[in-house]
Amino acid sequence: DTGVSQNPRHKITKRGQNVTFRCDPISEHNRLYWYRQTLGQGPEFLTYFQNEAQLEKSRLLSDRFSAERPKGSFSTLEIQRTEQGDSAMYLCASSLARGDDASPLHFGNGTRLTVT
Amino acid sequence: GEDVEQSLFLSVREGDSSVINCTYTDSSSTYLYWYKQEPGAGLQLLTYIFSNMDMKQDQRLTVLLNKKDKHLSLRIADTQTGDSAIYFCAERTYSSASKIIFGSGTRLSIRP
Repeated sequence: DTGVSQNPRHKITKRGQNVTFRCDPISEHNRLYWYRQTLGQGPEFLTYFQNEAQLEKSRLLSDRFSAERPKGSFSTLEIQRTEQGDSAMYLCASSLARGDDASPLHFGNGTRLTVT
Repeated sequence: GEDVEQSLFLSVREGDSSVINCTYTDSSSTYLYWYKQEPGAGLQLLTYIFSNMDMKQDQRLTVLLNKKDKHLSLRIADTQTGDSAIYFCAERTYSSASKIIFGSGTRLSIRP
């Protein structure tokens, strides 16, 4: 078990540029989540996948944000036309969902985005 | 609606017990979690409790759940310098079973 892996760890970009982050979940986990965390706050839910299907998206996820999980394994989160307000830590988590949904989320170390 | 609240800061002396408190509003909470976050890192799961339990103990950690008052606490016995971190309370509810909602976190600092 190598844990949830996120790349890159840090990304600095200029306003208006596009950025893409990658998440590799724990291998047998069927659910994958994206959260955003700003300074002094807890993680806020953005979206989640069960296998390759994106099942829920938060209202926080504007149309500049898109997430994919094409083969039900790794996922990418793309932000188009970045704004300074997008600066945050983007956290990926995975879980093995069973019928009772008890499974806790296991988080990666995040990608810190700074938009200048 | 779903809301999870925690006090922002807690300072304890090394060797003492730390008690971190959390309140939540959704009475349909099914599972409640405690996560730890160290600087620059992701969240590490510490422990979790099912809503039909009122206590869970795991080594130095004790979780108490008062479902009537919607109050959750995490007690860390014999607090060490390595326990310095931000602690997040989180809930999974019946209405949003697919995701976990987090509080804003409690920063625990340890005095020598």
